[in-house]
Amino acid sequence: QQQVKQSPQSLIVQKGGISIINCAYENTAFDYFPWYQQFPGKGPALLIAIRPDVSEKKEGRFTISFNKSAKQFSLHIMDSQPGDSATYFCAASMYGEGTYKYIFGTGTRLKVLA
Amino acid sequence: DAGVTQSPTHLIKTRGQQVTLRCSPKSGHDTVSWYQQALGQGPQFIFQYYEEEERQRGNFPDRFSGHQFPNYSSELNVNALLLGDSALYLCASSLQGGYGYTFGSGTRLTVV
Repeated sequence: QQQVKQSPQSLIVQKGGISIINCAYENTAFDYFPWYQQFPGKGPALLIAIRPDVSEKKEGRFTISFNKSAKQFSLHIMDSQPGDSATYFCAASMYGEGTYKYIFGTGTRLKVLA
Repeated sequence: DAGVTQSPTHLIKTRGQQVTLRCSPKSGHDTVSWYQQALGQGPQFIFQYYEEEERQRGNFPDRFSGHQFPNYSSELNVNALLLGDSALYLCASSLQGGYGYTFGSGTRLTVV
């Protein structure tokens, strides 16, 4: 129930295309859903995040779509660029025992071809 | 403004040994969480420290222990190292009660 399932495992997109990564969760206690971008040898960096009271959030070329009834959320990268090539992790957070804890998906390795 | 600083960046240890990893949180943050990231996997929650106490713990054995100091910095200790402990260990800092995590670049631990 604490898992976050992420797909696909890897993704290859042409430059200028749309990259779409999907995540699903079970526990309705999750109340914050961030996406992280990780380059090799670096720690994850926050990309964009959404709360369940909002169905969509857009920041530049990055958009999160959130479907509360389906318990699914997705990241869309518009006009994908070679510099977007990285591993992307979705996560879900919930409050418990006086603090927040993040549960991460297994990651999607994105490659954008020039 | 310094972000999260972790040391060392790389470490090689022998099975059975003990290791200590260090983390300095982002300025203004008071909570430190530790994650283990195996190759090709997502980060797995180890534990979280706030006010020098362990607040939450993931599914990790007692060989994994930690500490938080009055200046909010933290250490992760792993005893009796196993080959399977080889991973990138990530420290993330945040404000207690806040959502935002800031990750460090991690410590790459190799157990041989």
